[in-house]
Amino acid sequence: NAGVTQTPKFQVLKTGQSMTLQCAQDMNHEYMSWYRQDPGMGLRLIHYSVGAGITDQGEVPNGYNVSRSTTEDFPLRLLSAAPSQTSVYFCASSYLGGGTGELFFGEGSRLTVL
Amino acid sequence: GQQVMQIPQYQHVQEGEDFTTYCNSSTTLSNIQWYKQRPGGHPVFLIQLVKSGEVKKQKRLTFQFGEAKKNSSLHITATQTTDVGTYFCAGPLYNQGGKLIFGQGTELSVKP
Repeated sequence: NAGVTQTPKFQVLKTGQSMTLQCAQDMNHEYMSWYRQDPGMGLRLIHYSVGAGITDQGEVPNGYNVSRSTTEDFPLRLLSAAPSQTSVYFCASSYLGGGTGELFFGEGSRLTVL
Repeated sequence: GQQVMQIPQYQHVQEGEDFTTYCNSSTTLSNIQWYKQRPGGHPVFLIQLVKSGEVKKQKRLTFQFGEAKKNSSLHITATQTTDVGTYFCAGPLYNQGGKLIFGQGTELSVKP
């Protein structure tokens, strides 16, 4: 099994450009989430989903959009990139939601906004 | 708002020394999870604690959940170079199903 797959692994954007970080899981997990990781800040929750068609905001949702049309996919969209969005982004999924149960992380997407 | 705080931020030890990281929540947690992230890697689940006062061991790693379910600790006995990485605790936000909040992490370096 591939687990959680994120693409791209690296991306450089200019301020104002848009892009989508892709996340797919093949474990039939209902719960999926996006975190960003910045030095000294730990992992901060951006958006999450408890099932297809259901999404909600995390700690730092501004500047990001998500959708969940299928169980497998949970893309993260940056509509107008800003330098403050330079970060490492992790997608994670879990069989159980509600903050219970092991989170499986993708390998991360490193984004630089110039 | 609810926070999960972790200390210390960094810890440098000599191989063979013990290591402890502490996690504190501003509110009672239904459970707490611990993850390890190797340099350049992604977080990997280590364990989940659910019961008040729970203690679990994984070889040289000992995890504790406080009696009030507001704090937790991870203790590593006789560190090895393979223990290098950042250790995170994480807990669910009260009454906000789906929001798993992470502490800032403790970065462990081990001198051989």
